[in-house]
Amino acid sequence: DTEVTQTPKHLVMGMTNKKSLKCEQHMGHRAMYWYKQKAKKPPELMFVYSYEKLSINESVPSRFSPECPNSSLLNLHLHALQPEDSALYLCASSPERDWTEQYFGPGTRLTVT
Amino acid sequence: AQSVAQPEDQVNVAEGNPLTVKCTYSVSGNPYLFWYVQYPNRGLQFLLKYITGDNLVKGSYGFEAEFNKSQTSFHLKKPSALVSDSALYFCAVRDMGQAGTALIFGKGTTLSVSS
Repeated sequence: DTEVTQTPKHLVMGMTNKKSLKCEQHMGHRAMYWYKQKAKKPPELMFVYSYEKLSINESVPSRFSPECPNSSLLNLHLHALQPEDSALYLCASSPERDWTEQYFGPGTRLTVT
Repeated sequence: AQSVAQPEDQVNVAEGNPLTVKCTYSVSGNPYLFWYVQYPNRGLQFLLKYITGDNLVKGSYGFEAEFNKSQTSFHLKKPSALVSDSALYFCAVRDMGQAGTALIFGKGTTLSVSS
């Protein structure tokens, strides 16, 4: 299985809602990533987990809260988002030791109303 | 800090013609370079990578890239373009910082192949 899956594919939420994005991989990768991507722009790194521990937090607002319950699963909890947070949220994974490329999921298209 | 630059926002080419999408890099140490493609409303798909070895790297869907150390370039090429190659292409470099490893992307180049 060489796939990274993300759910849901689309999400519309109000500014007072609480929602979560889910990412899963079964490739035995020990590093997982969250990126935010605006239309026709490059992905921007948000968080990196290595061996289920947060190793990089790129100054992301606290309304985004990542969680890595186990080595296969990565969540992004959302609370009190702003309309400018509307974007494609991409999850990726890579082998920790022999890091040669990242594998990306299809993304969750988030719209904040 | 590691970085890559894609000087063209858009490249237009006719089907059947060769295509080139440009990328230059700035790194300290040996570069780990990548090309990814993104189709509309989809995630990123890995095309190819340069780690070490031959300067001409072959990848998925008939794409190849040439690593040129003297020009600090890693241009993506294909001998004969297809309409289905129309997409957004990203060049990227691996950045190994103290806190971890991540990809640094160029701004992206939109490839449009006309029939």
